[in-house]
Amino acid sequence: LAKTTQPISMDSYEGQEVNITCSHNNIATNDYITWYQQFPSQGPRFIIQGYKTKVTNEVASLFIPADRKSSTLSLPRVSLSDTAVYYCLVGGQAGGGNKLTFGTGTQLKVEL
Amino acid sequence: ETGVTQSPTHLIKTRGQQVTLRCSSQSGHNTVSWYQQALGQGPQFIFQYYREEENGRGNFPPRFSGLQFPNYSSELNVNALELDDSALYLCASSPAGTQTDTQYFGPGTRLTVL
Repeated sequence: LAKTTQPISMDSYEGQEVNITCSHNNIATNDYITWYQQFPSQGPRFIIQGYKTKVTNEVASLFIPADRKSSTLSLPRVSLSDTAVYYCLVGGQAGGGNKLTFGTGTQLKVEL
Repeated sequence: ETGVTQSPTHLIKTRGQQVTLRCSSQSGHNTVSWYQQALGQGPQFIFQYYREEENGRGNFPPRFSGLQFPNYSSELNVNALELDDSALYLCASSPAGTQTDTQYFGPGTRLTVL
């Protein structure tokens, strides 16, 4: 599975837009890009997934450039409750099953 | 629709003991994966079960073993516990025919080994 690199931490204020960028230079042709959110002592929660261009759902947008070597998770108008760790994952269903490979993630802290 | 549930929520064991953790997958999901998450780290894949068969394993020793039952619930067993086994153990399920990495996680079991 492709290795990902993302910032260790980010700080923001309520109401701001937050963009978290993830680098995945050796992404494979059949790999998807998936973002998870995790609160302390809880399991990760799926946020959004994409393959190319832009994907938007009710909580976030995912921007993927044409070369797919990076992706940006955009959280519009964050609130205190968005304080969490955000993980970028790259991969797809392989012969050995859907093994998710998590890095250390980005700790987002939202303040008033 | 019931989500992924895990039991117990917390557990304290001593070194050398054995432990069994349980997971009930989300309705309609036939694939269950287990992850270990040490403090400050991302979850690490232990293994996955699909239709009661092991379907992939991470870099964990054989003393980590599992089962999946006909109702798709699952167990994680750890023998000869070591101090480094202290972690949050997460179970995740995914629906049949999943083509992408969308898994639904339970709240986890916090295991402390003394």
